[in-house]
Amino acid sequence: AQTVTQSQPEMSVQEAETVTLSCTYDTSENNYYLFWYKQPPSRQMILVIRQEAYKQQNATENRFSVNFQKAAKSFSLKISDSQLGDTAMYFCAFTRAGGTSYGKLTFGQGTILTVHP
Amino acid sequence: DSGVTQTPKHLITATGQRVTLRCSPRSGDLSVYWYQQSLDQGLQFLIQYYNGEERAKGNILERFSAQQFPDLHSELNLSSLELGDSALYFCASSGLAGGPSDTQYFGPGTRLTVL
Repeated sequence: AQTVTQSQPEMSVQEAETVTLSCTYDTSENNYYLFWYKQPPSRQMILVIRQEAYKQQNATENRFSVNFQKAAKSFSLKISDSQLGDTAMYFCAFTRAGGTSYGKLTFGQGTILTVHP
Repeated sequence: DSGVTQTPKHLITATGQRVTLRCSPRSGDLSVYWYQQSLDQGLQFLIQYYNGEERAKGNILERFSAQQFPDLHSELNLSSLELGDSALYFCASSGLAGGPSDTQYFGPGTRLTVL
């Protein structure tokens, strides 16, 4: 079974600064997808960024980028120029690319990020 | 707005009762997923339907069941409710293939409180 671990229950950052959230995962699969989802106080789950394991290039979406280290099974999220609206719970998630997973997501425990003015 | 709708937003009921949660996927999406978010268990996958057929099952209790109708909306039925079933229930939908390469878009969730 796959597991996803987020070792930082809470993080804080000053507005305009950079913060990195950590995620590690355990799998014997070679092909899979990794995601970061954001859950603001409204509780809506919003996709931030996704990474395909067979792509070596790290994914980037505006101020959000990942550092994907496949051998180390590490998938961290870097938020640059943090904004107050980035305050949320962030979840790292994993899904297998094959077999009978059919896209079901396995989530980490979440990291609460607070951006201070 | 993800395009996925869930009703009701909030539900308060008593132990032993039965409730139905409803989800309408994004236009054109054939796949629906149900997840449960609780303080104890975090976010857990319950079940997936693709074009009316059950495709994958996760940690779903026998007291829970789901179905997807011909118009592609889905319902999650929870029966013999217990205090521990109190949680936020999310529905997500994804595109044509309904597989891992498709991004899942989440609805706003239904907050279930069992008293």
